[in-house]
Amino acid sequence: GQNIDQPTEMTATEGAIVQINCTYQTSGFNGLFWYQQHAGEAPTFLSYNVLDGLEEKGRFSSFLSRSKGYSYLLLKELQMKDSASYLCAPFQGGKLIFGQGTELSVKP
Amino acid sequence: DSGVTQTPKHLITATGQRVTLRCSPRSGDLSVYWYQQSLDQGLQFLIHYYNGEERAKGNILERFSAQQFPDLHSELNLSSLELGDSALYFCASSVDGVAGNTIYFGEGSWLTVV
Repeated sequence: GQNIDQPTEMTATEGAIVQINCTYQTSGFNGLFWYQQHAGEAPTFLSYNVLDGLEEKGRFSSFLSRSKGYSYLLLKELQMKDSASYLCAPFQGGKLIFGQGTELSVKP
Repeated sequence: DSGVTQTPKHLITATGQRVTLRCSPRSGDLSVYWYQQSLDQGLQFLIHYYNGEERAKGNILERFSAQQFPDLHSELNLSSLELGDSALYFCASSVDGVAGNTIYFGEGSWLTVV
């Protein structure tokens, strides 16, 4: 992806909390999306941040710091079905720009 | 179900051939995006159309072209296919292509070039 940095892989335990970090270039920034993607399937929308701060949505929360070009996705009460790739995608230049994503494995 | 419809779901074709992938956006959405995802790769932006007009272009090969029709459906044409074009091609749509409007993805079209 275009200067979007996320950890490649993460492992966590069922019931735990995990935080997936993302940094991006700030030029032309117009908000940041997080998507979940299971292998071979469509990305599904999780959250959107345009202002600094935390957005909470059930078990998922997303944080944004525009000045730092930084976001994180927080997943609570992890379930086995949360094993997937998580994609940080800033909206820049009229399009979503994706990095390689973070492959999360949830273990029993 | 995101409401974005893509056909065909799977396609196998030979090198040198031409294929057309079709996308129907969600009802009411004017913007259509195309992305390519090769095996173990991130989603690569190809092109964005808004209400029939090209709005943004990514690293789309000259062998590839797209258009959006008056009924807002879109087609991605891939010609002179090469083995490396094998990928999952996603279409996505949003209301107006402006930041802040959620972009919804279709299930994708699996293209295998042999």
